[in-house]
Amino acid sequence: EPEVTQTPSHQVTQMGQEVILRCVPISNHLYFYWYRQILGQKVEFLVSFYNNEISEKSEIFDDQFSVERPDGSNFTLKIRSTKLEDSAMYFCASSELPLRVGANVLTFGAGSRLTVL
Amino acid sequence: GESVGLHLPTLSVQEGDNSIINCAYSNSASDYFIWYKQESGKGPQFIIDIRSNMDKRQGQRVTVLLNKTVKHLSLQIAATQPGDSAVYFCAEISSGGSNYKLTFGKGTLLTVNP
Repeated sequence: EPEVTQTPSHQVTQMGQEVILRCVPISNHLYFYWYRQILGQKVEFLVSFYNNEISEKSEIFDDQFSVERPDGSNFTLKIRSTKLEDSAMYFCASSELPLRVGANVLTFGAGSRLTVL
Repeated sequence: GESVGLHLPTLSVQEGDNSIINCAYSNSASDYFIWYKQESGKGPQFIIDIRSNMDKRQGQRVTVLLNKTVKHLSLQIAATQPGDSAVYFCAEISSGGSNYKLTFGKGTLLTVNP
């Protein structure tokens, strides 16, 4: 079964450092998403991406965050200057079809755990 | 101030019993309601969804009930097994203009005792 692959599985960084989280979506998927989950809390939407541009972003996704699809296979989330409160599990998700057809089209990766010290 | 840490509602059941996990939602205009299962160290896994114009939908060992009058969603798991132990999240898909967004609700930790 096709998978969404995320790397690294765990990254520890110092406050103020830049972090890039990488995702390889399923190959024929066109819609891409980043979510985050602070330990013990619910999964929160960050950003959606389609046709090489951001479709929607949440209030969490401020100027410190950016996304890119640099080479047609990877989908990256960059945090320019990490803060302690950025510590969370970050999930990438992708789908072939838009969400208006339902949630069963969406596949999540296993996540990248970011720890900011 | 805000509290931090693990404050998930929990449900503990015996193997073989039926489980019912509940969720309240606030957006009456959502198009779909969904249940996800999240095992430790993994991403959310789709279980079942229901369109907003339906009241009930059944899958394999799972049933989702939607009560739009009181904005309540439930997940029933029949003959619960130890492998069902996980955190269960309700979620909804709603539109904001031309874009659709998936929003997660609070999770419930289900523990199945053998």
